Amino acid sequence: SQKIEQNSEALNIQEGKTATLTCNYTNYSPAYLQWYRQDPGRGPVFLLLIRENEKEKRKERLKVTFDTTLKQSLFHITASQPADSATYLCAEYNQGGKLIFGQGTELSVKP
Amino acid sequence: DAGVIQSPRHEVTEMGQEVTLRCKPISGHDYLFWYRQTMMRGLELLIYFNNNVPIDDSGMPEDRFSAKMPNASFSTLKIQPSEPRDSAVYFCASSSSGSYNEQFFGPGTRLTVL
Repeated sequence: SQKIEQNSEALNIQEGKTATLTCNYTNYSPAYLQWYRQDPGRGPVFLLLIRENEKEKRKERLKVTFDTTLKQSLFHITASQPADSATYLCAEYNQGGKLIFGQGTELSVKP
Repeated sequence: DAGVIQSPRHEVTEMGQEVTLRCKPISGHDYLFWYRQTMMRGLELLIYFNNNVPIDDSGMPEDRFSAKMPNASFSTLKIQPSEPRDSAVYFCASSSSGSYNEQFFGPGTRLTVL
């Protein structure tokens, strides 16, 4: 069955740097991938969606790429700020009509 | 819109008791999802509904769990009897068809079974 894998180790970076988070999938290429942000004690919040036929998607300081050859999506936050500290989840929309979430990667941006 | 509303926000109960979690989706959304989140297993889909009809309940752990959606604005997830391993945060989410399943999550219910 399809698996969505994210780096379970927390990512610590300095304010102003670019944060890059990785999402790998194991089998078939999903129709699209979504990225969510989750703050402690809250539900996930949708950030971006990228379709299989799209290489890159941008929204303000956020950028998502989708490489079907590498079976990987990268999520970038440029000019990171302490307020960007959170857990980021990727999710794939599978053929059954539901989202399968990765474990999430915790990002910590230090001032 | 107030977003997805869940109640209660916190629930502490004893093993063997019945627990009912409630959800009000965003008005106009035709999909409703119930998830469970734990440190060990992450965010797992339990069941989802489309137009109030259960579509996929393959994620429901066992017969102790049941979910209903009697109308478009209300759903319940019931655990009977509850066990300590059911302790988790339970999220409800809703979405509308045609939105590529961008889901809007509620604040969650933190369940502790002693």
